[in-house]
Amino acid sequence: KQEVTQIPAALSVPEGENLVLNCSFTDSAIYNLQWFRQDPGKGLTSLLLIQSSQREQTSGRLNASLDKSSGRSTLYIAASQPGDSATYLCAVSSVTGNQFYFGTGTSLTVIP
Amino acid sequence: EAGVAQSPRYKIIEKRQSVAFWCNPISGHATLYWYQQILGQGPKLLIQFQNNGVVDDSQLPKDRFSAERLKGVDSTLKIQPAKLEDSAVYLCASSPGLAPREQFFGPGTRLTVL
Repeated sequence: KQEVTQIPAALSVPEGENLVLNCSFTDSAIYNLQWFRQDPGKGLTSLLLIQSSQREQTSGRLNASLDKSSGRSTLYIAASQPGDSATYLCAVSSVTGNQFYFGTGTSLTVIP
Repeated sequence: EAGVAQSPRYKIIEKRQSVAFWCNPISGHATLYWYQQILGQGPKLLIQFQNNGVVDDSQLPKDRFSAERLKGVDSTLKIQPAKLEDSAVYLCASSPGLAPREQFFGPGTRLTVL
């Protein structure tokens, strides 16, 4: 069974700092990997989707990379802002099944 | 394009009562997921539908939870009877096609069981 781990569980940074969130998974036979943002009491908002054949995806200040062989993905946030404060979740889907497996998330606080 | 709709947004019930949640996926999306998210944890898949059929319900507590997807569109998730440990956010998501593709989530229903 696929297991997804996110480190750190919580992160607090001053505004303007660049930061990296980590996601690791145990089964490298993935179909795709998706990063989400979740605000308190809200649903999940999709940030970036990386197909298994891709190495990275970019959207604005966000850049996500994927290294299937090592079972890792990183989400890079440039020039962080207080509005980036949220929980960030990664999810992977395996080629052997149809479901997505989620990590427990990283809670990010950006201090003004 | 309208997103995934869920109702109600909040529900408070007593243990042993019944509750039902409704989800309307993005139009044309073949796959629909129900997840349970307990505070501080990542979402856990309860059941996955592709069109009308169930693809995976291995983590659905079938003695108390049931779900159906009517005509391959809307879906309802029911809990009967509820337990204290069912307090969680219930998230519905949909994705296009039959293979695992990008998921789009609704706002969720926060259930509190007293």
